[in-house]
Amino acid sequence: GENVEQHPSTLSVQEGDSAVIKCTYSDSASNYFPWYKQELGKGPQLIIDIRSNVGEKKDQRIAVTLNKTAKHFSLHITETQPEDSAVYFCAAYSYSGNTPLVFGKGTRLSVIA
Amino acid sequence: DVKVTQSSRYLVKRTGEKVFLECVQDMDHENMFWYRQDPGLGLRLIYFSYDVKMKEKGDIPEGYSVSREKKERFSLILESASTNQTSMYLCASLIGRLNTEAFFGQGTRLTVV
Repeated sequence: GENVEQHPSTLSVQEGDSAVIKCTYSDSASNYFPWYKQELGKGPQLIIDIRSNVGEKKDQRIAVTLNKTAKHFSLHITETQPEDSAVYFCAAYSYSGNTPLVFGKGTRLSVIA
Repeated sequence: DVKVTQSSRYLVKRTGEKVFLECVQDMDHENMFWYRQDPGLGLRLIYFSYDVKMKEKGDIPEGYSVSREKKERFSLILESASTNQTSMYLCASLIGRLNTEAFFGQGTRLTVV
C-alpha cells in the first residue's frame, strides 16, 4: 500500500520568513496530493491540493510543487504570519480505485512574531 | 457547505466497555474513513468504506470494527475498550473519485479509564 513520509516534524520560523514542508510517497498510482492544516481543537482542513497532471499550484501565499519522477511534493508558505502556526499534513490518494487517503505524520509549524 | 458530524467531542469510558463512535455526512459521499490521531504518529487509518456495507481494513484495525448500513453514516466500534485506545478519533468523507476533497469531523477525544 501507499506510504507517505513527511519532514520535518517540527519547524519554527520568524514571522515574514518562508516555510517549506516536504513529503515523499511510494505508490506511483497515487494521483492526488492534498495538504491539510489542523488548528488546535479542530479537524484538519484542506488548504491546497495538486493533481498528478500538474507540476505546481499557487494560492496567494501558499504553493505546492510535485515531482512525479522522484515521487515527492512540497508545501511552500511565504511571508508567514502567526496565524499560520498549526499542524500541517500531506496526503496521497489514487482516485482511480477504491483506495484510502494516506497521510504523513504531520509538521508542527510555529511562526514566531 | 459539506458537513461531517461526529456524535461526541469528548467521551470517557471504562475498560472493557463496548464503545460506539458515530459519524454522519450530509452530502452523497461514497468514501468514509476513520483515523486515529496520536502525538508524533500523525493520522493512522483504522478502517475505510467506499460504499454501503463495504469496509476495508486500514493500518491499525485490531480491536476495532465498523458498520456502514447507510451511505451517510459510518460507525466505529471498540468491541472491548482498552486504555491503549485512548486517543483522538477523526472521521472523514470523500466526495467521489473524480472530485476529490476529504472533509473531516471535529474529532472525538476518547479516554478509556
